[in-house]
Amino acid sequence: GENVEQHPSTLSVQEGDSAVIKCTYSDSASNYFPWYKQELGKRPQLIIDIRSNVGEKKDQRIAVTLNKTAKHFSLHITETQPEDSAVYFCAVSLSGNTGKLIFGQGTTLQVKP
Amino acid sequence: DVKVTQSSRYLVKRTGEKVFLECVQDMDHENMFWYRQDPGLGLRLIYFSYDVKMKEKGDIPEGYSVSREKKERFSLILESASTNQTSMYLCASSLISLVTGNTIYFGEGSWLTVV
Repeated sequence: GENVEQHPSTLSVQEGDSAVIKCTYSDSASNYFPWYKQELGKRPQLIIDIRSNVGEKKDQRIAVTLNKTAKHFSLHITETQPEDSAVYFCAVSLSGNTGKLIFGQGTTLQVKP
Repeated sequence: DVKVTQSSRYLVKRTGEKVFLECVQDMDHENMFWYRQDPGLGLRLIYFSYDVKMKEKGDIPEGYSVSREKKERFSLILESASTNQTSMYLCASSLISLVTGNTIYFGEGSWLTVV
């Protein structure tokens, strides 16, 4: 089945620096790649997503890049702020449009003021 | 706004007890999911339902069962709770759409402690 690996497991940056989180996947037929943010004690919420026919997508300070050939995609956060501190999960949809997502292991991002 | 509601936020149960975790969504979504969240392991899929009375095993179904008698409600059942089932359980729902993709909406989570 699909395997999703997420790195790093923890990331600490200074406020204003950039943060990058990377995920790799195994099923070349996967076509939808969302990123979720989970603040402490709260539910995971979608922050950005990308489809397989697009290489990059931006939304203000966050961006996602996708390399289908290498089967990896990354989340980029620029000008980090303390409120960016959270756990971030990547996910990959299984081929066949079943609606199922397989999640990575999560990255705990700490932004130091 | 999509609303996924989990009836219990915090539960403490004894080993061997039967445990029901209830989840309701109000967006007429076909798909509903139960995930388990543990530190360092991410979100692991326990069971998935794509229609009423339909279910499919996820990656870690052992020790769990599910029930979906109505479209809006998806229940997770621990037939005989064990201490290794102490965890955070997240319910989710989604609408399969070629336009919006497979966006999953999560509930607030249920923290289960088995003693």
